[in-house]
Amino acid sequence: QVQLVESGGGVVQPGRSLRLSCAASGFTFSSHGVHWVRQAPGKGLEWVAVISYDGTNKYYADSVKGRFTISRDNSKKALYLQMNSLRVEDTAVYYCARDRLAVPIVDYWGQGTLVTVSS
Amino acid sequence: QSALTQPASVSGSPGLSITISCTGTSSDVGGYNYVSWYQQHPGKAPKLMIYEVSNRPSGVPDRFSGSKSGNTASLTISGLQAEDEADYYCSSYTSTSTRIFGGGTKLTVL
Repeated sequence: QVQLVESGGGVVQPGRSLRLSCAASGFTFSSHGVHWVRQAPGKGLEWVAVISYDGTNKYYADSVKGRFTISRDNSKKALYLQMNSLRVEDTAVYYCARDRLAVPIVDYWGQGTLVTVSS
Repeated sequence: QSALTQPASVSGSPGLSITISCTGTSSDVGGYNYVSWYQQHPGKAPKLMIYEVSNRPSGVPDRFSGSKSGNTASLTISGLQAEDEADYYCSSYTSTSTRIFGGGTKLTVL
């Protein structure tokens, strides 16, 4: 079955960096686009970034552009999110999510990892 | 990148039907059939309920249905059940190859 397991969350001070990882299993990772989506405490879902199946195309939300970098390693079936210059408003549960095959629709989500930005 | 517009809350009695709207623009909801709906219970990850406007993944009850007219998509849940009480989010592909979510709708089953 499709599994996406996030890791790397924690408490970090404003202005510092953090790297999130997502381990995929149960499907052909190299065939699917994958996303990061976040949810601040008590708030709605906010799309963060997407990377194409082969890593050539990357798109970001305006709120993180220039600070966050999405990447993937298909040989390791892994997705990453490098988060720099973190702000208090980046505090959220970060979900890794998969697109359906060749269709821009998210169909599976991980359980999320909590990032808290606080001094 | 403003969020798609959803009502903050809806409610309905068991056995009855409710509809949640999701309004965007011609650059997202109105321009593509890549509209999806997600159900999220407290403390859980979202679950795909409807994809490509009106398609149900296997395992999703046929009480859940979707539609679209112009820039507004809709999710209808018929025969409401207690377990349907959750937050619901719409999402769309956009003209800039990004994605956008609605603000979310809290469904209360009375």
